[in-house]
Amino acid sequence: QQQVKQSPQSLIVQKGGISIINCAYENTAFDYFPWYQQFPGKGPALLIAIRPDVSEKKEGRFTISFNKSAKQFSLHIMDSQPGDSATYFCAARGYSSGSARQLTFGSGTQLTVLP
Amino acid sequence: DSGVTQTPKHLITATGQRVTLRCSPRSGDLSVYWYQQSLDQGLQFLIQYYNGEERAKGNILERFSAQQFPDLHSELNLSSLELGDSALYFCASSVGGAAGNTGELFFGEGSRLTVL
Repeated sequence: QQQVKQSPQSLIVQKGGISIINCAYENTAFDYFPWYQQFPGKGPALLIAIRPDVSEKKEGRFTISFNKSAKQFSLHIMDSQPGDSATYFCAARGYSSGSARQLTFGSGTQLTVLP
Repeated sequence: DSGVTQTPKHLITATGQRVTLRCSPRSGDLSVYWYQQSLDQGLQFLIQYYNGEERAKGNILERFSAQQFPDLHSELNLSSLELGDSALYFCASSVGGAAGNTGELFFGEGSRLTVL
């Protein structure tokens, strides 16, 4: 059962454009929402994260917008660059089977920024 | 470099066989997580260990098992392999046991398993 739905599956953007990736969740007990970036041949790495008591967080060209009532959050990449081409995963932290909180990942978005 | 080491990087085997994937976490990290990444299902959480004890289970098949040793390295054992087990298997680590207090997991570069 997928608890975090991510869209689009793939995205092509021109250099300098804005890339937007959206995620939606159902579990209101999720308490942390990170985004991970994965380059080919590498493991995912934390890019930026937000807590549900904050509506927006910005780090450089990367911004997370969080809508708690709609249970949605999105990643905006401003002035997209070819070096941003990667797969992006949203995630949400909550309890699954066991005593520890876990990260549930979205299905990923493959971003291609054209030069 | 995340500091998480996984071996082997690539593994090709036949159906019905058994393989072991190995992970060394970042220095100081007590938690180890295993994820499976396939093209159509993204990153699926398999299992977590914290300081040698199983902490949480996800969508891990009964044919799969894992353990964490006293030196904190972990092994994922996959047996009776099927074609559908072909995937990238990632290990991640964190300091604490709650996907990290900051939600940050440090991933290795993965082990690509191909079952023929």
